[in-house]
Amino acid sequence: GAGVSQTPSNKVTEKGKYVELRCDPISGHTALYWYRQSLGQGPEFLIYFQGTGAADDSGLPNDRFFAVRPEGSVSTLKIQRTERGDSAVYLCASSWNWNTEAFFGQGTRLTVV
Amino acid sequence: GIQVEQSPPDLILQEGANSTLRCNFSDSVNNLQWFHQNPWGQLINLFYIPSGTKQNGRLSATTVATERYSLLYISSSQTTDSGVYFCAVERVVDTDKLIFGTGTRLQVFP
Repeated sequence: GAGVSQTPSNKVTEKGKYVELRCDPISGHTALYWYRQSLGQGPEFLIYFQGTGAADDSGLPNDRFFAVRPEGSVSTLKIQRTERGDSAVYLCASSWNWNTEAFFGQGTRLTVV
Repeated sequence: GIQVEQSPPDLILQEGANSTLRCNFSDSVNNLQWFHQNPWGQLINLFYIPSGTKQNGRLSATTVATERYSLLYISSSQTTDSGVYFCAVERVVDTDKLIFGTGTRLQVFP
C-alpha cells in the first residue's frame, strides 16, 4: 500500500480481555517496528522485526505482550489479560531495511476500562 | 542508554515568525529523523538526516553528528505547523530501533 496501515484506529476493551492490533507495512519493507506512546510522551520502542523474525523484543514490557509477523509482511501485536496501564497509542512503523528511513502508521488508540 | 533531549520544550509563535528547534544526543548515531506529530497523532516524516543539511520548502535541518546535535529550522511559520516535533536517533551500536527525544510542542497563532 501507499503507507503503513493500522487497524483498528480505536479499541476499547475491558480489563482482563485479550486484544490484537494489526499493522500493514509499506509493500517491500523488510523491517517493521512497534512503538507505544503514552499521553504527553514520545514513542517508546517495543519490538523490531527483520523479515519474519523478531530481531529485538527488548522493549516489550512483560510476557503479556507478544507480536508476530508470520509471512514477513503484516504484523499483529497481541496483548493478553489487558490492564488499565496498557492504555496508550500503539504505533507501527516500517522501513526498507534496518538503518533506513522509517515511516509510521496512524496508530491504534487502545483504552482499557 | 542514549539520552535525546530537545529544546525548547514548548514554543508559542505568531504566524510568520521563524524558529529553531534543537536536538542533543549523548552517543554516536548513524540515523537521525525529524518528525512532526500533528494534532491527530500522525507522525509525519520531515527529514532523514544522519549528517549534513537538507531543505524542504520552509523547513530545513542540519545535523552535526561529531558534536551530537541537530537543528530544525522553521521559517514563516503557519498555523498548520502546530503540533509536536520529535527527533529520533539510532545508535551506532544499536541499529534496530529509533530512540525518540522529549519533543518540542509548537503552537502557532494567527
